[in-house]
Amino acid sequence: QVTLKESGPAVVKRTQTLTLTCTFSGFSLSNSGMRVSWIRQPPGKGLEWLARIDWNDDKFYTTSLKTRLTISKDTSKNQVVLTMTTLGPEDTATYYCARSARYSSMPLDYWGQGTLVTVSS
Amino acid sequence: DIQMTQSPSSLSASVGDRVNITCRASQKIDFYLNWYQHKPGTAPRLLIYAASISQSGVPSRFSGRGSGTDFTLTINSLQPEDFASYYCQQTYSSPLTFGGGTKVDIK
Repeated sequence: QVTLKESGPAVVKRTQTLTLTCTFSGFSLSNSGMRVSWIRQPPGKGLEWLARIDWNDDKFYTTSLKTRLTISKDTSKNQVVLTMTTLGPEDTATYYCARSARYSSMPLDYWGQGTLVTVSS
Repeated sequence: DIQMTQSPSSLSASVGDRVNITCRASQKIDFYLNWYQHKPGTAPRLLIYAASISQSGVPSRFSGRGSGTDFTLTINSLQPEDFASYYCQQTYSSPLTFGGGTKVDIK
């Protein structure tokens, strides 16, 4: 059974750095083809894909936030960490992590429940 | 970056209606197109992958078609539990991108 769960602070101050952790079970990120992505949804807006890390440690980022994001993994702990620097009010959102595996179109087939992060002034 | 344009952005429909949602990619993405359903307060749910393959457990009233740049999600005989937002996503190349979403609400 595959599960993912996001954790991190509910409130972060403007200009600070956000660190989110995705803890998963039911698969290993050391297995060929496994990938974990981060996605967010600001209140009242759509889904935005942020970043992905692959089993071979390849990393990919959305263009608009590339300079502010870092994704990493700890395979032994079954965790993926996303850091985002220099937060602003526009970063208030629910943040999700999701898995994809190497089959077909590599869809995001399992998602966490999400964690709401509010950026305060 | 590949842009994904979804239409309509919202629609009102009745139980039993057939609903079509379209998604257009700014360049060819072969079949690397997935559809998700999202209800407030819950995790998004994968409905369709590779443009037309239904995820396990998804009701047969959901179907997808298309390839290249133009794709369609069809919901046949809309049910009360289908009122939600729907998103397409391309996984052809990074950065992976979502469409803007389509909110389906009750007429």
